[in-house]
Amino acid sequence: DIQMTQSPSSLSASVGDRVTITCQASQDISNYLNWYQQKPGKAPNLLIYDASNLETGVPSRFSGSGSGTDFTFTISSLQPEDIATYYCQQYDNLPLTFGGGTKVEIK
Amino acid sequence: QVQLQESGPGLVKSSETLSLTCTVSGGSISNYYWSWIRQPAGKGLEWIGRMYTSGSTNYNPSLKSRVTMSVDTSKNQFSLKLSSVTAADTAVYYCARDIRAGTSDYWGQGTLVTVSS
Repeated sequence: DIQMTQSPSSLSASVGDRVTITCQASQDISNYLNWYQQKPGKAPNLLIYDASNLETGVPSRFSGSGSGTDFTFTISSLQPEDIATYYCQQYDNLPLTFGGGTKVEIK
Repeated sequence: QVQLQESGPGLVKSSETLSLTCTVSGGSISNYYWSWIRQPAGKGLEWIGRMYTSGSTNYNPSLKSRVTMSVDTSKNQFSLKLSSVTAADTAVYYCARDIRAGTSDYWGQGTLVTVSS
């Protein structure tokens, strides 16, 4: 299985801050990476697919980059409604695997 | 707007079989992959497997010996069976539609299944 390692596991930032989350794959996955947002008690919501493509309807303050084994997810200006846990997920190989998640809180 | 709804018993006895159904509304079930993902309380997401509407399946090797997925296109439903459950199978179970292989764009709200001894 491909292991996905996210960091940090949690972070606290102020409204308006730039927030960056990293995700490292245990082997080359090209750009076969998604980012999901999960709010408490809710199902995950697709934000970014193919490492850098913004899903329709997702605010442009969210972005993703990277390829191969190293990926980055960025919130350019943190908003109160962005409080959630964010997961990366690879779909290069089966089984599909997720990172451990990054919990984002407001300082 | 596509909507998914999981249904099934919220409590299953240890060693028995967990059975869940996902009903799809607002769109056809045909020509998509349909996935099951689970999440133990306070933990991360685990992919259980997926099924294409042709009937082909892919299961997580860690669960493969216990998982069966099926689809009923006439009812716009797909199902999950997980046999010989233990407390480790207690989780919120989500069904999801894959807009393309590996990428889930629509999810059900999730259903909590607790395995009791």
